[in-house]
Amino acid sequence: DSGVTQTPKHLITATGQRVTLRCSPRSGDLSVYWYQQSLDQGLQFLIQYYNGEERAKGNILERFSAQQFPDLHSELNLSSLELGDSALYFCASSVVGGGWDTQYFGPGTRLTVL
Amino acid sequence: AQSVTQLDSHVSVSEGTPVLLRCNYSSSYSPSLFWYVQHPNKGLQLLLKYTSAATLVKGINGFEAEFKKSETSFHLTKPSAHMSDAAEYFCVVSDPYGSSNTGKLIFGQGTTLQVKP
Repeated sequence: DSGVTQTPKHLITATGQRVTLRCSPRSGDLSVYWYQQSLDQGLQFLIQYYNGEERAKGNILERFSAQQFPDLHSELNLSSLELGDSALYFCASSVVGGGWDTQYFGPGTRLTVL
Repeated sequence: AQSVTQLDSHVSVSEGTPVLLRCNYSSSYSPSLFWYVQHPNKGLQLLLKYTSAATLVKGINGFEAEFKKSETSFHLTKPSAHMSDAAEYFCVVSDPYGSSNTGKLIFGQGTTLQVKP
């Protein structure tokens, strides 16, 4: 158990809908990352937050947004969902968010868009 | 730009024989390198991490990796495979000396390790 929690574990929804994925980092970690794992793209970095502020952006679509709240939990919002958004979404956390940090991953949320 | 290439998409070994999973990296600076493992329907677990302190890095469950700058490689090895080692393995790079030092991870495509009895 990494100490990072993600809810829900599974999510099934229809095209055009909007969903919210939630992540709670390990106690003491200030930085949260979101990654997407799909069969065709592999594991890709989406976005990073550090202590409530956006720190880095990767291959995140404009239909997707995220935020980190004062209690340090984070939410990833996916809207106008398409079939191709079906994937496993991982959250990770680390202490300060730099390149030397170890990132600890949550169990993931499996999103299925029908 | 950073990148990692895992040279084998699938490796099959017999239980009790050595494991070698190959990884080459590309980075402008001295990188931070990781190996993560993903068991079926599970999250990603850190096996080991290289941060320039020592070129031979020991990880959990008997795995180790050697950083070779001249070959830009970071291959993962284990002397004797166990059935429980069957999983997907990812070689990962980050760039601590990049302009923003964000900790963003770049993943290889993964290597599926099959362990035969």
